[in-house]
Amino acid sequence: RKEVEQDPGPFNVPEGATVAFNCTYSNSASQSFFWYRQDCRKEPKLLMSVYSSGNEDGRFTAQLNRASQYISLLIRDSKLSDSATYLCVVPHSRGGSYIPTFGRGTSLIVHP
Amino acid sequence: EPEVTQTPSHQVTQMGQEVILRCVPISNHLYFYWYRQILGQKVEFLVSFYNNEISEKSEIFDDQFSVERPDGSNFTLKIRSTKLEDSAMYFCASTPTGPTDTQYFGPGTRLTVL
Repeated sequence: RKEVEQDPGPFNVPEGATVAFNCTYSNSASQSFFWYRQDCRKEPKLLMSVYSSGNEDGRFTAQLNRASQYISLLIRDSKLSDSATYLCVVPHSRGGSYIPTFGRGTSLIVHP
Repeated sequence: EPEVTQTPSHQVTQMGQEVILRCVPISNHLYFYWYRQILGQKVEFLVSFYNNEISEKSEIFDDQFSVERPDGSNFTLKIRSTKLEDSAMYFCASTPTGPTDTQYFGPGTRLTVL
């Protein structure tokens, strides 16, 4: 299994739709999980962090399933401005430290 | 809100030349990172830096790469002899405590090797 795996998409949805992305990770020792948003040719920006079972922030909900080693991101009531690439980041343990490990990202296109 | 800054925003160089990419992490952060993103590909970890020394490095970070914190604010990535395949966006990031923290990214330097 790849260290962090995401469906690249693109997910093409109309405004107002609900969309969900999944991310699987290989290292069962990982303790923290992140979703970042990246616009074209820009830096990643934090969307949500997940340290326990889940997190919710407005229209965005992240869920963690440790047993199956995946995290999900749910976006409700999609806006045009949500169009971006969503990166799953899982620090993987290596020896006594952690390496922040990125998935390839899932592309979301929200259309009118 | 404090932010990570990077200079230059775009660097064009000839193959075989040395380049230095500069970053100013957030001032009270302890860990600093460099990442690379080749166009259309994923963000790849290069190196982490803590307490004035390399904490972790990836297989990409070979002998042609080096990092330095020359003073109390700057954090630099040097590529000694650039190759065509070094063309990418290079992001600097910092975290308050460690690599399991939220990463705060700079805007990136686009490196083009001709």
